[in-house]
Amino acid sequence: DAGVIQSPRHEVTEMGQEVTLRCKPISGHDYLFWYRQTMMRGLELLIYFNNNVPIDDSGMPEDRFSAKMPNASFSTLKIQPSEPRDSAVYFCASGATREGEQFFGPGTRLTVL
Amino acid sequence: SQKIEQNSEALNIQEGKTATLTCNYTNYSPAYLQWYRQDPGRGPVFLLLIRENEKEKRKERLKVTFDTTLKQSLFHITASQPADSATYLCAISSGSARQLTFGSGTQLTVLP
Repeated sequence: DAGVIQSPRHEVTEMGQEVTLRCKPISGHDYLFWYRQTMMRGLELLIYFNNNVPIDDSGMPEDRFSAKMPNASFSTLKIQPSEPRDSAVYFCASGATREGEQFFGPGTRLTVL
Repeated sequence: SQKIEQNSEALNIQEGKTATLTCNYTNYSPAYLQWYRQDPGRGPVFLLLIRENEKEKRKERLKVTFDTTLKQSLFHITASQPADSATYLCAISSGSARQLTFGSGTQLTVLP
């Protein structure tokens, strides 16, 4: 298996622009997680899905953030409009029902100018 | 408030020694505690999971202990190697085992 796939790997955008991050989880995993990592706040859970349904989005910082999972093999995290404080590395992770461990993608490094 | 603390931001040890990393938590009743390794520019990689009813778990040179009374987990790397140099994160599940809260990590450097 190729593991969790994220795109793009790097994104540089200007304040106010819409940003869409993409994730393909490991086939057969029922859970998908979106995290944000910064030096100041560490690794924070934003939202997670189970069987394509959002379960907990309490970590989503503001209404500017939204996430979707239209099918078992694809998820997006959208920021609209983006702000400089959104600059961070965004990770997607997936997990199987039976086990607790999560498998992380390589991350998307977002820079908002 | 809930808090996860890892003993230090950075730990330097000599090759061949045992590295011991600490994870303390407050106001959690975790069902699981997990340890991950993160290399620069990469996503965290799962290492070990220990359940609340387990005292110790081993995997090759790695050992994790879990003391729910002390609210602490210790992570040991025996016979450490420079390739073990990385940031190590502990993560706690609360409520649902699927949802994790991560500590800030300890950056381990193994000196040759």
